Amino acid sequence: GDSVTQMEGPVTLSEEAFLTINCTYTATGYPSLFWYVQYPGEGLQLLLKATKADDKGSNKGFEATYRKETTSFHLEKGSVQVSDSAVYFCALSDQGSGGGADGLTFGKGTHLIIQP
Amino acid sequence: DTAVSQTPKYLVTQMGNDKSIKCEQNLGHDTMYWYKQDSKKFLKIMFSYNNKELIINETVPNRFSPKSPDKAHLNLHINSLELGDSAVYFCASSQGGRGAGTEAFFGQGTRLTVV
Repeated sequence: GDSVTQMEGPVTLSEEAFLTINCTYTATGYPSLFWYVQYPGEGLQLLLKATKADDKGSNKGFEATYRKETTSFHLEKGSVQVSDSAVYFCALSDQGSGGGADGLTFGKGTHLIIQP
Repeated sequence: DTAVSQTPKYLVTQMGNDKSIKCEQNLGHDTMYWYKQDSKKFLKIMFSYNNKELIINETVPNRFSPKSPDKAHLNLHINSLELGDSAVYFCASSQGGRGAGTEAFFGQGTRLTVV
């Protein structure tokens, strides 16, 4: 079945540091890939997405590139802010004739803490 | 105007009770879901409904029963609540059915505490 593996946290960084959160996946079909963010006490918000190999998703200074050869979708940001403190989830949704079940398969989440 | 709304936001109840969580989406999506988030933040899909038909039942106990009166609503009814049911339950919706590969939009969550 499909699975997503992401680095476990918490990840603690100083403000303006460079951020990388690693994410790799296994899928039976042709997945779309997503990063979601969950701020304390809130639901999940879509941060960015990519639907095919070599696509780059970007939003709010965050970027991730769909790498089919390494089955990865690492999240990066050049300069983090205290307001970026949250839990980040990598996820996939399978598509195409070889796709699996409907819905999203999530990684376990990475808790990011940004210190001033 | 909230896209996916679920009520209540907090629910505290005793073991053995029956409770329901309601969800509504105004995005015109075809598919709705229930996810469970445990105390370690792990998210797992419970149910998926596409045009009022159940697609997935991810081996959850049959005390949990989803009900969809129309494609804009997906409610979750839980019988005989147990301590282990304490979690945050998220409703979500997406466009397209099986294999669509599209993103889901989430509600704010219902924090269920069973005492």
